[in-house]
Amino acid sequence: NAGVMQNPRHLVRRRGQEARLRCSPMKGHSHVYWYRQLPEEGLKFMVYLQKENIIDESGMPKERFSAEFPKEGPSILRIQQVVRGDSAAYFCASSSSGQGGFYGYTFGSGTRLTVV
Amino acid sequence: AQSVAQPEDQVKVAEGNPLTVKCTYSVSGNPYLFWYVQYPNRGLQFLLKYITGDNLVKGSYGFEAEFNKSQTSFHLKKPSALVSDSALYFCAVRLLSGAGSYQLTFGKGTKLSVIP
Repeated sequence: NAGVMQNPRHLVRRRGQEARLRCSPMKGHSHVYWYRQLPEEGLKFMVYLQKENIIDESGMPKERFSAEFPKEGPSILRIQQVVRGDSAAYFCASSSSGQGGFYGYTFGSGTRLTVV
Repeated sequence: AQSVAQPEDQVKVAEGNPLTVKCTYSVSGNPYLFWYVQYPNRGLQFLLKYITGDNLVKGSYGFEAEFNKSQTSFHLKKPSALVSDSALYFCAVRLLSGAGSYQLTFGKGTKLSVIP
């Protein structure tokens, strides 16, 4: 069981470019959550998805950010026209149920986005 | 709204001494409490959780946590610290049930340094 896989581990983008972050949940998990960790901060909830559905995107910035979890393939967090303030670690978590499962969630190792 | 406070940004302890990392929470309902550990450039690893039952919860790597409902606290403890315990520790809370109960709310984290 490979766990939650995120790639890339590190991503550098110039201001105005697009960033695409990928997350493959644990085998058997159909619920995916994205969290953002700003420097010196705890993780903040962004979005909760099930296959082909966005369940809750209340933590997502209204503009430039979008997320999807297609029927086939990984979940994608997309940030358009990145700005320096988007620099952060983005973590994906998955669970087997919407209640987060017995252990809460299984987290991936994160993607560290740096905007230059 | 739910919140988590970790009042200490940093805790230093000598190897072999007991350690405590403090956490208090606020939630309107029954809490589901977690401790996670984050090593540099890694994802979050689950340590332990509290749902109901015995107020003293035992977790991974010799850690334990005590749930205190009257003080709304969930402090992490270990009887004898190891240098390898040095890491960033996050307390998190979610509702046991109801709307939005899948969302974890994290504290800002406490950096634990164990001095040889």
